Amino acid sequence: VQLQESGPGLVKPSQTLSLTCTVSGASISTGTYYWTWIRQPAGKGLEWIGRVYITGITDYNLSLKSRLTMSVDPSKNQFSLQLSSVTAADTAVYYCARDNHPIDYWGPGTLVTV
Amino acid sequence: SYDLTQPISMSVALGQTARLPCGGNNIGSKNVNWYQQKPGQAPVLVISRDSNRPSGIPERFSGSNSGNTATLTISGAQAGDEADYYCQVWDNSAWVFGGGTKLTVL
Repeated sequence: VQLQESGPGLVKPSQTLSLTCTVSGASISTGTYYWTWIRQPAGKGLEWIGRVYITGITDYNLSLKSRLTMSVDPSKNQFSLQLSSVTAADTAVYYCARDNHPIDYWGPGTLVTV
Repeated sequence: SYDLTQPISMSVALGQTARLPCGGNNIGSKNVNWYQQKPGQAPVLVISRDSNRPSGIPERFSGSNSGNTATLTISGAQAGDEADYYCQVWDNSAWVFGGGTKLTVL
């Protein structure tokens, strides 16, 4: 199983951060797993952002919930993250991952700078 | 929200045993996962559900969980075990991570 994040590396304050995760080696459509996002500011710890299921069901970090949208595109075997009204505090490496309770496969991460 | 407490840093002599604690209120009633993260890399799952070692993880990694403390034990620590270690639990429909422990192998 491999995951790969993609999206702009630079986002302006107040705009929306959009990332996509492409999954290979596993099908999102099977509905066996949740698909999750985690971020890590430079030199700091891991922060769980949220997760999405094939049906569109989501669980979000309450501290980010008002700005978050997650979705799944099974035709492309991808899932996506949108975080609105970003500030410098949203600058971090963003990871996508498979949630098999536990989180067992991670993408390499992508740096997003606001 | 649920808090997980980890020491910021720990050290262990080469070949000795490191015991990394993760504190939380009645954490023994939850399933705890542990991740290893080396600089510039994504985290790697080393222990799941308190004490289960995923395929490919060396036997020197083990875990336990009781009361208010979960523990990741690295027996016979090697230089390659120097990394940040994070504990994690599922609580109230959210994943919660500890702040992480930086392990130095001397």
